[in-house]
Amino acid sequence: GAGVSQSPSNKVTEKGKDVELRCDPISGHTALYWYRQRLGQGLEFLIYFQGNSAPDKSGLPSDRFSAERTGESVSTLTIQRTQQEDSAVYLCASSTRISSGLNTEAFFGQGTRLTVV
Amino acid sequence: LAKTTQPISMDSYEGQEVNITCSHNNIATNDYITWYQQFPSQGPRFIIQGYKTKVTNEVASLFIPADRKSSTLSLPRVSLSDTAVYYCLVARGTHNYGQNFVFGPGTRLSVLP
Repeated sequence: GAGVSQSPSNKVTEKGKDVELRCDPISGHTALYWYRQRLGQGLEFLIYFQGNSAPDKSGLPSDRFSAERTGESVSTLTIQRTQQEDSAVYLCASSTRISSGLNTEAFFGQGTRLTVV
Repeated sequence: LAKTTQPISMDSYEGQEVNITCSHNNIATNDYITWYQQFPSQGPRFIIQGYKTKVTNEVASLFIPADRKSSTLSLPRVSLSDTAVYYCLVARGTHNYGQNFVFGPGTRLSVLP
């Protein structure tokens, strides 16, 4: 596709339910990032995938959060037993492989707005 | 990873030049400075990136002094549509490094008529 696509755009779920959020990166982008953004706040790094390397999970806030990515394609972010504090916009970004000496830009999707009631 | 500090908010009027300064005192030799812009209900968008001195594109200019401990994003003649949050990032120029894209709270720029 032309850009990073995320689905659903909005999700309302009941506390305690599991949710899956999907990200389709730009074709050919080996790096993929997930972020959480609470209302009026900055972006909180969650997880990073780079090709077939082990993902950087250092930003995941608890073991209720997990993410998978098969190769260099779609990624899913799963939140188990959702809590009200999980309510936020979840943003996905992708970028090309960072070449030596230059950091490449990240392209963001529109995000999934998650509301836990 | 170098921590960044920037003003929480700024106000400006249409047609003025806006300069947003970001401090990154412990920037490393192979770190690059990148700025992103985020409009409400959208994901951030890349504006400009630099390593040293001055970089200019069709949107903005980025000024980086010799010691690289700070950088200034300059937006010429802002309009109402430039109202957004601006993020300064210091990112390592290597791959397999997830912390490359760690965003701080950003600067909320409000452009007034």
